[in-house]
Amino acid sequence: DIQMTQSPSTLSASVGDRVSITCRASQSINSLLTWYQQKPGKAPKLLIYKASTLESGVPSRFSGSGSGTEFTLTISSLQPDDFATYYCQQSGRTFGQGTKVEIK
Amino acid sequence: EVQVVESGGGLVQSGGSLRLSCGGSGFTLSSYWMSWVRQAPGKGLEWVAKISQDESGKDYGDSVKGRFTIARDNAKNLVYLQMNSLRVEDTAIYYCARIGYKGWEFDSWGQGTLVSVSS
Repeated sequence: DIQMTQSPSTLSASVGDRVSITCRASQSINSLLTWYQQKPGKAPKLLIYKASTLESGVPSRFSGSGSGTEFTLTISSLQPDDFATYYCQQSGRTFGQGTKVEIK
Repeated sequence: EVQVVESGGGLVQSGGSLRLSCGGSGFTLSSYWMSWVRQAPGKGLEWVAKISQDESGKDYGDSVKGRFTIARDNAKNLVYLQMNSLRVEDTAIYYCARIGYKGWEFDSWGQGTLVSVSS
């Protein structure tokens, strides 16, 4: 089975910062990589699919890049609503362990 | 508005069984792959299973293979997760999610139903 490794596990940042989260697959998954945001007590929310396509309604400060085994989620200017946990997922199967973005 | 709703969670003893149900509104459930995802208390997301529109395709995560069965009844607009031989470590919120067409993205999620397995 393909394993997904996210880094960092926790990220401390301030409003306005540019932040990036990395997701690595144990073997190539082409571009079948999805990013989700989850807030405490809520279901996950789809942000980006096929590595770089922004879901409708998601702010343009979110972007995704990568292919093969290495992928990145970038938030260009962190907003108060963005403090949450972010997960990557490959091909509708394995999730990464999550990255918590917290207030510095 | 697209909505996904789970039901059937509860408290069960280790070794017992439970069946979860998932319904949809605002879309034709029978036209989509559907999936179950779980989240143990304070932990990350774990993919559990997914099923194709006509049940010809089923796939399971390693930790539930042989114990859990995913099924659907398109006439009733429902997806099920039959959970047998439950273990304490199966305790989690179980989410049902719709899988979109573009790249295996889970584009709509239910609010989750809590399954607690006691020893």
